[in-house]
Amino acid sequence: EVQLVESGGGLVQPGGSLRLSCVASGFTFDDSAMHWVRQAPGKGLEWVSGVSFNSNRIEYADSVKGRFTISRDNAKNSLYLQMNSLRTEDTAFYYCAKDRLRYFDWACESWGQGTLVTVSS
Amino acid sequence: QSALTQPASVSGSPGQSVAISCTGTSSDVGGYNYVSWYQQHPGKAPKLMIYDVSNRPSGVSDRFSGSKSGNTASLTISGLQAEDEADYYCTSYTSSSTLVFGTGTKVTVL
Repeated sequence: EVQLVESGGGLVQPGGSLRLSCVASGFTFDDSAMHWVRQAPGKGLEWVSGVSFNSNRIEYADSVKGRFTISRDNAKNSLYLQMNSLRTEDTAFYYCAKDRLRYFDWACESWGQGTLVTVSS
Repeated sequence: QSALTQPASVSGSPGQSVAISCTGTSSDVGGYNYVSWYQQHPGKAPKLMIYDVSNRPSGVSDRFSGSKSGNTASLTISGLQAEDEADYYCTSYTSSSTLVFGTGTKVTVL
C-alpha cells in the first residue's frame, strides 16, 4: 500500500522559513516524479512544485518561485520542500503527491494526508 | 497562470448523470492531453479519478468518464450515487511547464 506521510508544518511568522518532509513507502520511490500541492483552509487546490524521479527536472508555480525549493533524497525515500520568505498567503495544508510516471505525467495518483502551515504574526 | 474555470456547483438525483466542465486556453487544456480530474471529500486528501483526459486509474468506477473538446474538458458521472457527493477539481499541464488546477465544483446529490 502506498503511504505518504508529511511532517514539518506549524506556525511561523511572516518572513520566516520552514522545511516540510514527506516520507514514502509501499512503492519504488526513485521510480516516480513527486509533487507538492497546497490548499488554503476552505479554498481550492494549488500546485506548488514538482520534481522528476532523478531530480533532473524541477518546476515551480510562479507564486513560490525564488522562495521555495523542492528536493528529494531517494536513498531515504523522502521528499522535501524548503520554504523561505513566507507570506500570510502561504498559509495552507501542504500535500505530498506521487506522479504516475518517472518523468511527469502531471497526474497525482497518491496523496498524503497533508501538513498545515500557518504564517501569522 | 489563471485557474481553469469550473462551475461552482452541479446537482443531480440518484441515478442521473451530471457533467462538469473545465475551461482553459490553448496554452493548457487545449494544447496538451495532460488533463486530470480529482475527487475530494471534506477533510480528506484528493483522489485521482481521471488522467490523460479520459483514462481511469485502477479501482475507479466506470461511472466516471472524461473527455475534451478544444479548450474545454469534461467529467461525466453516470448513475449518480450518494457517495459521489464531493468537490471535484480538474488540472492541466501548461505551456509554462506548470500544473494549473480548476476552481473546483461541488457536486450535490439531491
